[in-house]
Amino acid sequence: QKEVEQNSGPLSVPEGAIASLNCTYSDRGSQSFFWYRQYSGKSPELIMFIYSNGDKEDGRFTAQLNKASQYVSLLIRDSQPSDSATYLCAVSDSNYQLIWGAGTKLIIKP
Amino acid sequence: DAGVTQSPTHLIKTRGQQVTLRCSPKSGHDTVSWYQQALGQGPQFIFQYYEEEERQRGNFPDRFSGHQFPNYSSELNVNALLLGDSALYLCASSLGDRALEAFFGQGTRLTVV
Repeated sequence: QKEVEQNSGPLSVPEGAIASLNCTYSDRGSQSFFWYRQYSGKSPELIMFIYSNGDKEDGRFTAQLNKASQYVSLLIRDSQPSDSATYLCAVSDSNYQLIWGAGTKLIIKP
Repeated sequence: DAGVTQSPTHLIKTRGQQVTLRCSPKSGHDTVSWYQQALGQGPQFIFQYYEEEERQRGNFPDRFSGHQFPNYSSELNVNALLLGDSALYLCASSLGDRALEAFFGQGTRLTVV
């Protein structure tokens, strides 16, 4: 059974601090990794994707991938109250289908 | 540039009834995937349509069926509705059958009573 695990949270972070969200996956053959943000009652929105080991930065967001440890993370710098949402990690399997984690609820406290 | 659109946004059905949900993909996209998302859970893959064919299917019963039209729009049909089918149904579009950068519609909230 291919699995993607995330801490459900909530993760509470002060405004302006760095929020760190983590995800582990079971399928060693996974090649592509995605982070989606989902506001309550809304649909998921793609934030970042990463395919290679290392870091990928886009504005305040940094995705980090370590395939040896089967670990992917998302860092949000200078956290804002508008970043409060559930963050979903998705990992592709060998059939190019996405396996989803249950999400981590992030709360940014003003 | 229109994004992914789904209709209706909300729907209430009775157990045993049938429902049809609709999705128009983002302009330029040719692949539509359907997901079911229960409260507090991540999306669960139902199936994917590409070139008017069901290319992949998740672990959902045959009560769940779909269709893709020549204009790439898609329908999800659920027969013999159960209370457990109550969920947010999400449509995601992408380009090509191996594309993973998917864009979601706003979803259809289905409530079965």
